Amino acid sequence: DSGVTQTPKHLITATGQRVTLRCSPRSGDLSVYWYQQSLDQGLQFLIQYYNGEERAKGNILERFSAQQFPDLHSELNLSSLELGDSALYFCASSVAADISYEQYFGPGTRLTVT
Amino acid sequence: QQPVQSPQAVILREGEDAVINCSSSKALYSVHWYRQKHGEAPVFLMILLKGGEQKGHEKISASFNEKKQQSSLYLTASQLSYSGTYFCGTEVTSGTYKYIFGTGTRLKVLA
Repeated sequence: DSGVTQTPKHLITATGQRVTLRCSPRSGDLSVYWYQQSLDQGLQFLIQYYNGEERAKGNILERFSAQQFPDLHSELNLSSLELGDSALYFCASSVAADISYEQYFGPGTRLTVT
Repeated sequence: QQPVQSPQAVILREGEDAVINCSSSKALYSVHWYRQKHGEAPVFLMILLKGGEQKGHEKISASFNEKKQQSSLYLTASQLSYSGTYFCGTEVTSGTYKYIFGTGTRLKVLA
């Protein structure tokens, strides 16, 4: 158990809908990272937040957005969902802003868009 | 743009050694290695920073050659628990900060 929690574990929704994925980092960690893992594109970095502020952006679509709240939990919002958005979404946390620190991954949320 | 890992897949017997390579077309600041078992989240193995430092962790070690923009992961005397998919995560030094994962290497250790 990494200490990072993600909810929900599974999510099935229809195209065009909007969903919110939630992540709680390990106690004491200030950075939260979001990743997408799909069969055809592998593991992709989406976005990083550090202590409530956006720190870095990766391959995140404009239909996706994220935020980190004062209690440090983070939410990833996915809107106008397409079939291609079906994937495993992981969040990870680390203690520092710099990516050169160990990251602890949550168990993931499996999103299926039908 | 995605770092290429080689081999794509490898099958070993317990006790055998393996080397997994990660090669980037971009200059790197750091390389991270992860192992992911089927249906589970990636687990961090180690980070290597610019400077060619080699790190070790029990029977798993890694090196980073920043000039060649390559990193290698060395698995010594493999155990059944080493089975999984290995990913390198690369932090590139180009103008915009980016963190890009490699193509992955599937490793299976047989008894």
